[in-house]
Amino acid sequence: KNEVEQSPQNLTAQEGEFITINCSYSVGISALHWLQQHPGGGIVSLFMLSSGKKKHGRLIATINIQEKHSSLHITASHPRDSAVYICAAYPPGTASKLTFGTGTRLQVTL
Amino acid sequence: DGGITQSPKYLFRKEGQNVTLSCEQNLNHDAMYWYRQDPGQGLRLIYYSQIVNDFQKGDIAEGYSVSREKKESFPLTVTSAQKNPTAFYLCASSMQTTAYEQYFGPGTRLTVT
Repeated sequence: KNEVEQSPQNLTAQEGEFITINCSYSVGISALHWLQQHPGGGIVSLFMLSSGKKKHGRLIATINIQEKHSSLHITASHPRDSAVYICAAYPPGTASKLTFGTGTRLQVTL
Repeated sequence: DGGITQSPKYLFRKEGQNVTLSCEQNLNHDAMYWYRQDPGQGLRLIYYSQIVNDFQKGDIAEGYSVSREKKESFPLTVTSAQKNPTAFYLCASSMQTTAYEQYFGPGTRLTVT
């Protein structure tokens, strides 16, 4: 069982829908990282958070340390949001043992 | 513009040949990492380096080698001993290894036939 679990694995939405991607982890962490991977393969950092909530444009990330759960929300989704979204857990004290989820593949259609 | 570059984007090799993947960063980061990505799996750590002339094995180091002669550069060699070398390889860097955000390069897709 992976220490970082994401759900759903695949998600199809229509343009304009509100989207939620979930990430649960079983290890102690110092922070959680949300990443976006486009079809070309390159990875872009979206958020790094250790508590509460962060917002950037139409993207919102939340984390509940007690429940070991984080969510990534996309409001008013658009086809250009189609990508794989990956969460990664930073263990306390070091980033060298970063643990990645397997990703959620999002497809937004017109 | 600061960032991480990896070259080439696509690489093809015959089985039994060693191949070296390039990773360069101009972010002045101390730490650099190599990950491997396979379909349906999370990224797995191959090697990481916290400082010049020092590096440590990650979870799947067998069949790989690295060097860190300059702060900006962390090349990865996929040797003929790596049983399943075909994969997507990502390089990353961070200011240090302790609780600092990692930044990723565009990746190199290696195909070995």
